[in-house]
Amino acid sequence: DTEVTQTPKHLVMGMTNKKSLKCEQHMGHRAMYWYKQKAKKPPELMFVYSYEKLSINESVPSRFSPECPNSSLLNLHLHALQPEDSALYLCASSQARAHNEQFFGPGTRLTVL
Amino acid sequence: QKEVEQNSGPLSVPEGAIASLNCTYSDRVSQSFFWYRQYSGKSPELIMSIYSNGDKEDGRFTAQLNKASQYVSLLIRDSQPSDSATYLCAVTPGNTGKLIFGQGTTLQVKP
Repeated sequence: DTEVTQTPKHLVMGMTNKKSLKCEQHMGHRAMYWYKQKAKKPPELMFVYSYEKLSINESVPSRFSPECPNSSLLNLHLHALQPEDSALYLCASSQARAHNEQFFGPGTRLTVL
Repeated sequence: QKEVEQNSGPLSVPEGAIASLNCTYSDRVSQSFFWYRQYSGKSPELIMSIYSNGDKEDGRFTAQLNKASQYVSLLIRDSQPSDSATYLCAVTPGNTGKLIFGQGTTLQVKP
């Protein structure tokens, strides 16, 4: 199984809602990542987990809260988002944090009203 | 200066031709280099990785790396309309584990 899965595929939420994005991989990878991608722009790194511990936070606002319950799962908890947070949220995984190839999931298309 | 630079295109080539995509990077300690393909509305798909100077071939794709010139390229031979997509160059600076992407080059292969 060489797939990274993400749920939901699409999410519409109001600015007062709380929601979560989920990511799962079964490749035995020990590093997982969250990226944000706006239209016609490249992905921007948000968070990196290495061996289930947060190793990089790219100064992301606290309304985004990551969680890594185990080595296969990665969540992104969303609260009090702004319309400008509407984007494609991508999860990726790699064997380890340094050098290794990162494989992306299909993404969650988030719209904040 | 941007960390990773690509010509945004579009690069238009006829079917069957060679498409040449280029990328330069600014961090001399970068060690890992990747090419991703992204179709409209889809997520990036890894198509090539290269870590040492020289050429690396995989099917119709060849990645070329020149660390002295801080330059990495992707050649697509026998281009097909299905190759039409945005190609993202990505670099890992040092041992950070971060992927720094270029802006992407849009490739159009015309039948």
